[in-house]
Amino acid sequence: TQLLEQSPQFLSIQEGENLTVYCNSSSVFSSLQWYRQEPGEGPVLLVTVVTGGEVKKLKRLTFQFGDARKDSSLHITAAQPGDTGLYLCAGYSYNFNKFYFGSGTKLNVKP
Amino acid sequence: GAGVSQSPSNKVTEKGKDVELRCDPISGHTALYWYRQSLGQGLEFLIYFQGNSAPDKSGLPSDRFSAERTGGSVSTLTIQRTQQEDSAVYLCASSLAATGTSGGSTDTQYFGPGTRLTVL
Repeated sequence: TQLLEQSPQFLSIQEGENLTVYCNSSSVFSSLQWYRQEPGEGPVLLVTVVTGGEVKKLKRLTFQFGDARKDSSLHITAAQPGDTGLYLCAGYSYNFNKFYFGSGTKLNVKP
Repeated sequence: GAGVSQSPSNKVTEKGKDVELRCDPISGHTALYWYRQSLGQGLEFLIYFQGNSAPDKSGLPSDRFSAERTGGSVSTLTIQRTQQEDSAVYLCASSLAATGTSGGSTDTQYFGPGTRLTVL
């Protein structure tokens, strides 16, 4: 059973389109992180959000942490082929004292 | 400075053999994590080290899996009597540890490139 559910699992879009990836849980997390992973490499941290309702922007990427700290979203504006990769959310649970990773969203941006 | 390195990058072994996977964390990072990732999926937590001790071994799938860390640096993950279902990419990460036993709720984990294990 996944503590963090990501949707969609796969996303294939054209360059220039917008997209949103969701990360949901029934548990509360003290912080939530988003990673991007390319084939043959380890995940690379994009952002950490720690406050309920927090919104962080990183160029064309917008990250939001839900008010109840149970969910998060990643929105990409005007996607580019370089955005292609596996996007993973990860939450830290004080209750269980560990990080949990979501199942990932595989994004393919076609030129 | 150097990032997290892992060796070997690829390992093919026969069912029933033992394998050792190595992780060299970033110098000065006291927390070290092992994860397993199956074919483009999410990461499955295996074990976490704070210094040389492992406060959390709850993710190890069976007693065939063990890990150690010496000198607060290099870690090895050992899988005995490998099975085909052990085939996966094994990822190691390190981070600066915050106070307490948790390793820090917002510490950035820096990942190595992984070891791709194939059990025939």
